[in-house]
Amino acid sequence: GQNIDQPTEMTATEGAIVQINCTYQTSGFNGLFWYQQHAGEAPTFLSYNVLDGLEEKGRFSSFLSRSKGYSYLLLKELQMKDSASYLCAADNYGQNFVFGPGTRLSVLP
Amino acid sequence: NAGVTQTPKFRVLKTGQSMTLLCAQDMNHEYMYWYRQDPGMGLRLIHYSVGEGTTAKGEVPDGYNVSRLKKQNFLLGLESAAPSQTSVYFCASSSPGHPAKNIQYFGAGTRLSVL
Repeated sequence: GQNIDQPTEMTATEGAIVQINCTYQTSGFNGLFWYQQHAGEAPTFLSYNVLDGLEEKGRFSSFLSRSKGYSYLLLKELQMKDSASYLCAADNYGQNFVFGPGTRLSVLP
Repeated sequence: NAGVTQTPKFRVLKTGQSMTLLCAQDMNHEYMYWYRQDPGMGLRLIHYSVGEGTTAKGEVPDGYNVSRLKKQNFLLGLESAAPSQTSVYFCASSSPGHPAKNIQYFGAGTRLSVL
């Protein structure tokens, strides 16, 4: 079967660092995506990993371990505008994405 | 630069009515997708298309039909709406391979209520 798991909710303080974990099981695998979705808006692309290791993009980093079926999104220097849902998605060979339920992050002052 | 445009943005239907949701993209993407998003369940794939004239079923296709007569358009139809189809519907498009990496770009969504 296909399954993606991530925590439902997380809370962190402005200026802190937060790590959002994602575990996945899919019949095929061609990459792991992270999307950000603010309430009432469409998801927007944050990061992509296809090989094991860390991808860094400004305050956001994403890590992938294919052998463990595991990824995380790291957000540094949290800002209030980072309060959003973060969606983990597995590319099942480009034709059938599987999304996780999303992690709702609240950033407190 | 419009990207992915969905119409309408809001709609209220009565049980049994039919409607069509339109998705248009101006990025020349090969792949297009229709998702529904319900509270606590994330995005679930309804149907997708890998090219003009082709469609395939996703995770939750029952009660929906799709057509892709032109590369830039992907239509989602509800023949006989049911309250269980109350949801937010998102369309997305992408291109496979390098450098596009199959990153999906989403429309703003259609909020549908079926009474």
